[in-house]
Amino acid sequence: SQTIHQWPATLVQPVGSPLSLECTVEGTSNPNLYWYRQAAGRGLQLLFYSVGIGQISSEVPQNLSASRPQDRQFILSSKKLLLSDSGFYLCACQRRGRGGYTFGSGTRLTVV
Amino acid sequence: DQQVKQNSPSLSVQEGRISILNCDYTNSMFDYFLWYKKYPAEGPTFLISISSIKDKNEDGRFTVFLNKSAKHLSLHIVPSQPGDSAVYFCAASTLNAQGGSEKLVFGKGTKLTVNP
Repeated sequence: SQTIHQWPATLVQPVGSPLSLECTVEGTSNPNLYWYRQAAGRGLQLLFYSVGIGQISSEVPQNLSASRPQDRQFILSSKKLLLSDSGFYLCACQRRGRGGYTFGSGTRLTVV
Repeated sequence: DQQVKQNSPSLSVQEGRISILNCDYTNSMFDYFLWYKKYPAEGPTFLISISSIKDKNEDGRFTVFLNKSAKHLSLHIVPSQPGDSAVYFCAASTLNAQGGSEKLVFGKGTKLTVNP
């Protein structure tokens, strides 16, 4: 079965600092990968998705970027964080041959 | 434009009673629907799903009903337990030829509280 590892679990960063969140997947190959954000009082918003190495699609214009340097690695980055980047970030992997996704445990980011 | 709507941000029920969580969608191309359960500071976990060829799917205490003509689905939890207290997200997608989901679209969630 698929397992998604996300780290760190929590992060407090000052405004203007860089960001790097990493997600790795086990138990599958060539997965479709996703980054979601849950902001306070809002649902799960899709930020980026990737269907393969180096292939990134952005869903919303923002201060963030994503990269997929390896098949089972997905990275969310920012050069300069904004207060509005605070939220709960989730990495997800498409379940092969089945609908829906498997989610990682998430990273709580607080920008101060 | 919100394609998946959960109009009740919260719901409170007594232990042992039925919990009914509702979800509406606008995109008639959606053919696969899911419910996820989420505890604070954790990732969502898959609960139950239904494809558009069915109108009901049951798994233990959880049943999902789909009304395609009304573009409405609901999750029934019977009997409700305090451990069911969590945020429940409705999600919708289309299935590709390989049986996997295209991008999931989520509702904003409903916070369920089951009181002992």
